[in-house]
Amino acid sequence: QSALTQPPSASGSPGQSVTISCTGTSSDLGLYNSVSWYQQHPGKAPKLIIYEVNRRPSGVPDRFSGSKSGNAASLTISGLQAEDEADYYCSSYAGSSTLVFGGGTKVTVL
Amino acid sequence: QVQLVQSGAEVKKPGASVKVSCKASGYAFTAYHIHWLRQAPGQGLEWMGWIYPNSGGTKYAQTFQGRVTMTRDTSISTVYMELSSSDDTAMYYCARVSTVDSRDLGYWGQGTLVTVSS
Repeated sequence: QSALTQPPSASGSPGQSVTISCTGTSSDLGLYNSVSWYQQHPGKAPKLIIYEVNRRPSGVPDRFSGSKSGNAASLTISGLQAEDEADYYCSSYAGSSTLVFGGGTKVTVL
Repeated sequence: QVQLVQSGAEVKKPGASVKVSCKASGYAFTAYHIHWLRQAPGQGLEWMGWIYPNSGGTKYAQTFQGRVTMTRDTSISTVYMELSSSDDTAMYYCARVSTVDSRDLGYWGQGTLVTVSS
């Protein structure tokens, strides 16, 4: 299956909001509500920040939110903070017990 | 607490096989799927497949079908990922699903860097 499509970069000033898109197809992201988002700081393992489209694991700040419409999902970071500067990856269930990931988006805090 | 501890960094010759281990602790090892992902330097995450430690059942991504083998040893709560004919330097991660029936990866190993160099 093909990777989900993410913009390579996004940026915002502290306190602003930034939204990252993730586009799939009607066979993966559009068909299932199993969309996850992961945050990865340089040299670190990824960390789950959103699952099942818009649910946050315990301990993840509520400034992170997710949504989905059709074949696209979005991650919004509200009230951007310096520590939010990282790479972000979306993932979706793609049927037949498989997962597919996006190419990643580097978020820069200006 | 849930922990996944991976084996250490390796250097391999082009075309050699690589085998990475992932030792789990802090939970019922056989109850949760463990996935493997690859990340080339400066690149994104690439899903490789999963193993279900209870049965040993596996599912591999088409990209790696025929080249990857995932196994487990329940006596030591460890899963293994072996990739043959590896020519790419990459970081390999194991990750456990968050709950027994979830499709998100809530727990990650620290990663194992495999460097391919002649």
